[in-house]
Amino acid sequence: GQQVMQIPQYQHVQEGEDFTTYCNSSTTLSNIQWYKQRPGGHPVFLIQLVKSGEVKKQKRLTFQFGEAKKNSSLHITATQTTDVGTYFCAGWGGSQGNLIFGKGTKLSVKP
Amino acid sequence: ETGVTQSPTHLIKTRGQQVTLRCSSQSGHNTVSWYQQALGQGPQFIFQYYREEENGRGNFPPRFSGLQFPNYSSELNVNALELDDSALYLCASSAGQGRNSPLHFGNGTRLTVT
Repeated sequence: GQQVMQIPQYQHVQEGEDFTTYCNSSTTLSNIQWYKQRPGGHPVFLIQLVKSGEVKKQKRLTFQFGEAKKNSSLHITATQTTDVGTYFCAGWGGSQGNLIFGKGTKLSVKP
Repeated sequence: ETGVTQSPTHLIKTRGQQVTLRCSSQSGHNTVSWYQQALGQGPQFIFQYYREEENGRGNFPPRFSGLQFPNYSSELNVNALELDDSALYLCASSAGQGRNSPLHFGNGTRLTVT
């Protein structure tokens, strides 16, 4: 079945350093969504990318969707302690037509 | 605007028992999806309800069942609980069943099966 893979699984950075997480799908995606889950919290929707090669920015966060619509990335510039959490990508697909989540990248930021 | 609410927050059950989890969707949302999130993993799709009917199901056995009510709230029922059912159960509502509808998650129910 369709799989969505994320790397790295964990990332430890010093505050002020940049951070990038990568997402890859085994099949072409119609869109990709990104969510953030704070420790002890629930996933919160960040953004959706739909078009091939699309790039969107939210302040220090930059999201990209690959040309083939099979991969995506999230880049955070100059991390802050408030960026701590697990970042999930999710692609729409599967035989049930549901949102398939990756395993996430857990970001920790050392002040 | 009221967000997604789930109850109970925590639950401890014994293997073999049955459990019912509840979810109230965000106002204006007619679709509810249920996800299971094991520790350190991403959410796994259980099923989705739209207009009171199951509208897609993940790889979960039939002992996982659900309901959606006319007010769009929903229940997740799990029979014959197993130790591996211990997880965070997340309910998410959306404004539609389509692929361009972001999910709005509740805080989840932490189920522990002993």
